[in-house]
Parts: sequence; C-alpha cells; structure tokens
Amino acid sequence: AQSVTQPDIHITVSEGASLELRCNYSYGATPYLFWYVQSPGQGLQLLLKYFSGDTLVQGIKGFEAEFKRSQSSFNLRKPSVHWSDAAEYFCAVGAGGGYQKVTFGTGTKLQVIP
Amino acid sequence: EPEVTQTPSHQVTQMGQEVILRCVPISNHLYFYWYRQILGQKVEFLVSFYNNEISEKSEIFDDQFSVERPDGSNFTLKIRSTKLEDSAMYFCASKRSGSTDTQYFGPGTRLTVL
Repeated sequence: AQSVTQPDIHITVSEGASLELRCNYSYGATPYLFWYVQSPGQGLQLLLKYFSGDTLVQGIKGFEAEFKRSQSSFNLRKPSVHWSDAAEYFCAVGAGGGYQKVTFGTGTKLQVIP
Repeated sequence: EPEVTQTPSHQVTQMGQEVILRCVPISNHLYFYWYRQILGQKVEFLVSFYNNEISEKSEIFDDQFSVERPDGSNFTLKIRSTKLEDSAMYFCASKRSGSTDTQYFGPGTRLTVL
C-alpha cells in the first residue's frame, strides 16, 4: 500500500528565507508524486507533480521539488518565502493506472514571520 | 480556466439525516473522486468513479455512502444516515484521462453533523 510521511507538522520561517518541506513516500513501483497547497478555508491547489523524467520539477509560485528515488523523498523547496506562502502543504503519492487514487500525507503548516 | 465546483460550501445537518453533496467536475473529465478531511487530519480517499461505476473505494466508504452521476455534469455524494463522525470537509476531484493526468480539486463542502 502506498503511504506518505511528512515529518514536520509545523514550520516557521522568516519572509525572504529559504524553505524546504520534507516528504518521504512508500510505494512499490514508480510513484506519481504531488505537492498541493491549502490556504485556510480553501481547496487544494496543485503546486507541482512528478511522473517521470527530470527529477527536479518546477511548479507554480516559484516552488520546486526534487525526486530522489534512493531516499524515497520528494522534498519541496523555495529559495525565498513570501508572506502569502503561509498555508498548509500536502505531499501526495498516486498509484499508477487510470483510476489513480491519491494518498496524502498529514501536511505541514507553514507560518511566515516578517 | 475551468474548475471543479461544489455546492453547498457549508451544510449543517442533524444526526441520522440524509445529505447530498454536489459537485460539477470539469466538463471533459472522465474520472471522478471524493475525498474527505476531518478537521486537523489529512485528506483521505473515499471513492473513485469512472464509466458510470465505482472503480475503487476505501473502507471508509461503507453502505451509508453512495455516489451518482445523475446527468452529464453533476457528480453527487450521498450519505444516507449521517453520524457525528461524518463531520468533515468533503472534496470532489476530477481528472481528464490517463494515469499521468492531474486530479483537480474543488473548494470543498464543509459538513457539520449535530
């Protein structure tokens, strides 16, 4: 069964500082990996995804993530955080095949301080 | 840009009552999903639907739950007899086709069972 671990429940960074959110996954085959962001009271917005190819993927809002198969990780990074990035971030893994349910991690809540 | 819509945004009901949550997926999408997020917890898969039938369901999706695509545009989740523990945010998602397509999520319906 697929699973996702986000070890950091809550992270606080200063505006302008760099950010890295950790994600480890467990899946028997080649995973499909996602990062979603959820602002308070809002739905889930896709930041980026990895299916194959280049292991460094670029997403929206200046985010990027790197797939490392040897470490079963898919960490999310941003070089300079903006106050508007404060939200909850979910890493997710999808099974292959058409139906492809997505399994989410428990989320990391990001607080940005001035 | 097309988006998934959900109504209502907030539903309050009494325990034991039936509720129907409505979703309008993106128009050319073929795969449909329901997820739920209990307050403070992670997003959990409930059910996937393709070609007018359930393709996969989780153990949460018991006999109290049903899904339907009553016409060409709507996708509904019915809870027959609500319990207190059904209180959660329910997200609808849709995907065009293929294993590499992205699931797009709606803004969610917050269900409160009293």
